[in-house]
This record gives sequence, structure tokens and C-alpha cells, in this order.
Amino acid sequence: EVQLVESGGGLVQPGGSLRLSCVASGLRFDYYWMSWVRQPPGKGLEWVANINEDGSEKNHVDSVKGRFTISRDNAKNSVYLQMNSLRVEDTAVYYCARDKAAAGAWGQGTLVIVSS
Amino acid sequence: EIVMTQSPATLSVSPGERATLSCRASQNLGGLAWYQQSPGQAPRLLIYGASARASGIPARFSGSGSGTDFTLTISSLQSEDFAVYYCQQYDNWPWTFGQGTKVEIK
Repeated sequence: EVQLVESGGGLVQPGGSLRLSCVASGLRFDYYWMSWVRQPPGKGLEWVANINEDGSEKNHVDSVKGRFTISRDNAKNSVYLQMNSLRVEDTAVYYCARDKAAAGAWGQGTLVIVSS
Repeated sequence: EIVMTQSPATLSVSPGERATLSCRASQNLGGLAWYQQSPGQAPRLLIYGASARASGIPARFSGSGSGTDFTLTISSLQSEDFAVYYCQQYDNWPWTFGQGTKVEIK
């Protein structure tokens, strides 16, 4: 069974930084693209970033470009989201998801609150 | 950016009845997925490629459509199907979602 477990969320002030982590199990991690998708409280979904199997190809949505960076460590079965210059509008549950596009497995999410 | 528009926003259906959800894209698509999200849970992939059921998804869920107009049909609603449903395009980056359709008990 595929398991994705996120960590690293919390309360941060505007302009601050956080690093989210996601550890995967139950799959051959280096065979898959991985993604981060977020959901503001009570709102819809936004695909934030994805990364290919060896980390050589990355995509970020324009709203986070230059502030967030997706990366991975295949030796640790982990994918990360480094979030800098955080804004109030970045407040959301952040989900780790398997696959490049149609995400077939999801973690339970980690909540990021950006507030002063 | 491709804009995805779902209708209706809320659908009231009785258990055992059929539900039909619509999704329209702002341009022709090659890739479309549907997800189900129950309260407090992560989304679950139902359909990819507009009409292919994901692993473990019951046959009462079916997807259809092409171009700009797509449909998710739930043939006979079960209690666990009352949830929010999202369509998502993966034709052009950034992938984008519709705003969701809430299926509630009538």
C-alpha cells in the first residue's frame, strides 16, 4: 500500500520560510514524478509544483515561482517543498501527491498558516 | 492558463439516484481527471484520461466527454458518495482544477 506522510507545516509570519517534507513508502519512489498540491481552508485545489523521477525537471505555478522550490532525495524516498517569502495567501493544507498529473495517491496533508 | 468551470455548484440527490456532474474547459483538452474529496480527507483520484477508472474505483463511477466538455456520472449514489468532486486538466501547465461540485443528500 502506498503511503505518503507530510510534515513541516505550522504557523509562520509573513515573509518567513518553511520546508515541507513528504516521505513515501510502498512504492518504487524513483519511478514516479511527485507533486505538491495545496488547498486554502474551505476553498478549492491548486497544483503548486511537480518534479520528475531524477529531479532534473521541475514545474512551479506562477503564484509561487521564485519563492517556492520543489526537490527530492531518492535515497530517502522523500520530496520537499522549500517555501520562502511566505504570504498570507499561502495559507493552506499542502498535500504531497504521487504522479505528474492525474495524482493516484495523496498524503493527508500538512497545514501551513501564514499570519502575524 | 486553462480555466475549468464546473456545474452545478451543488447537486441535491437522493440515495440510489443518478448524479451527473459537468466540467467545461476554456480550450480543448487532451488530459482530464476527476477527484472525490470527503470532508477532512485528501482528494481521491476517480477518473483519468477523461474516461478511465482509477484502480479500485467502483463501476458506478464513469467519465465521458472530449474537447472542452466533460461529464462525471455516478449511476446509483451510495452514502459514501456524498462529497465534493473536482475536475482537473493536465493538458497545459499549470494543471488547473474546477471550483468543485458538492453532491449532497436530498
